[in-house]
Amino acid sequence: DAGVIQSPRHEVTEMGQEVTLRCKPISGHDYLFWYRQTMMRGLELLIYFNNNVPIDDSGMPEDRFSAKMPNASFSTLKIQPSEPRDSAVYFCASTTSPRGAFFGQGTRLTVV
Amino acid sequence: AQSVTQLDSQVPVFEEAPVELRCNYSSSVSVYLFWYVQYPNQGLQLLLKYLSGSTLVKGINGFEAEFNKSQTSFHLRKPSVHISDTAEYFCAVSAPSGGSYIPTFGRGTSLIVHP
Repeated sequence: DAGVIQSPRHEVTEMGQEVTLRCKPISGHDYLFWYRQTMMRGLELLIYFNNNVPIDDSGMPEDRFSAKMPNASFSTLKIQPSEPRDSAVYFCASTTSPRGAFFGQGTRLTVV
Repeated sequence: AQSVTQLDSQVPVFEEAPVELRCNYSSSVSVYLFWYVQYPNQGLQLLLKYLSGSTLVKGINGFEAEFNKSQTSFHLRKPSVHISDTAEYFCAVSAPSGGSYIPTFGRGTSLIVHP
């Protein structure tokens, strides 16, 4: 398996634009997590899914953020409209058990 | 809810010296514990994990960690570090929450290995 695949690896966008981050989890994994990493706040859990259903989105910072998982092999995190303070590295991770999550390479988002 | 404290934000050490990265956690229930490593511009990679059984856990790249329930600690050690061990290290705790085990991460410790 190729691991958790995220795209794009880097995204630069202008303030106010819509941004969509994509994630393909490892096949067979039924948990999917979206994390945000910044110097100031470290790794923050934004939302997680179990069997494609959002379970806890209490970490989503604002209504500008939304996440979907239309099927077991694909998830998106959308920011609309984007703001400079959204600049961060966004990670997707998946697992099938509490025995440890597998992370993607991350998407570095820069909003100018 | 559980939490993780990594006591050192940065640990400088010389090559071939031993190193210990400290991690303490708090939880009212039994937990699973993890160490992850993040190399520059990479995702997090699982180094080792404690789920149950022996409190001394061995992981990849010569790292090991010891679970101490009385001190609620899970410190990471390596007897002799290499330049290539320079990276960010994250301790994480996972505890049952509504039937799920969601990992909570510490703020990370930057290990800097000098030649």
